[in-house]
Amino acid sequence: AAGVIQSPRHLIKEKRETATLKCYPIPRHDTVYWYQQGPGQDPQFLISFYEKMQSDKGSIPDRFSAQQFSDYHSELNMSSLELGDSALYFCASSDRTGPSYEQYFGPGTRLTVT
Amino acid sequence: DQQVKQNSPSLSVQEGRISILNCDYTNSMFDYFLWYKKYPAEGPTFLISISSIKDKNEDGRFTVFLNKSAKHLSLHIVPSQPGDSAVYFCAELGTSYGKLTFGQGTILTVHP
Repeated sequence: AAGVIQSPRHLIKEKRETATLKCYPIPRHDTVYWYQQGPGQDPQFLISFYEKMQSDKGSIPDRFSAQQFSDYHSELNMSSLELGDSALYFCASSDRTGPSYEQYFGPGTRLTVT
Repeated sequence: DQQVKQNSPSLSVQEGRISILNCDYTNSMFDYFLWYKKYPAEGPTFLISISSIKDKNEDGRFTVFLNKSAKHLSLHIVPSQPGDSAVYFCAELGTSYGKLTFGQGTILTVHP
């Protein structure tokens, strides 16, 4: 079965640079979520999109922005990178018309800021 | 503010025995909870969920119990297998749009 695809899997950037993370949800899933997991921490919700509209917002810095495109893929744009942005970034998708709230996670993008 | 807490950072169990992972919560809006398993270098994998209309949900070797009065849920794995060794997160549904709030995770190690 198709899973959530994230690219790139690993990314190394320097401070003050910009990064773009991409997420391709499971086909026919209409909602995309972004989570950030720092070292030794639990995943923290950043932002979500339903049918290309922002549906929920968590602890996402103003330096970050995201959008969902017409083909339902999503991109997380991160500017003025800081050392503290080094983390695993997970994308998840779900079908809001389905019977449950299960979210299916991608393998993550490991961002290292040096 | 919603909070989900897993007070045991780690659990070690012998193969074939029962693993019990615990989770406490406060101020739940939806009383809907999920358990995820996570291996290193992979994304969390959904295991099982439970809503407030039930106090128990079972799926194969995995059973989740919900005690609303105690604001406590637990995941039972019977029998435990070495392949179950992973980090287990409980998560709470925070909004109707699906935002999840995760606990800190419990590292489960199942010894052969």
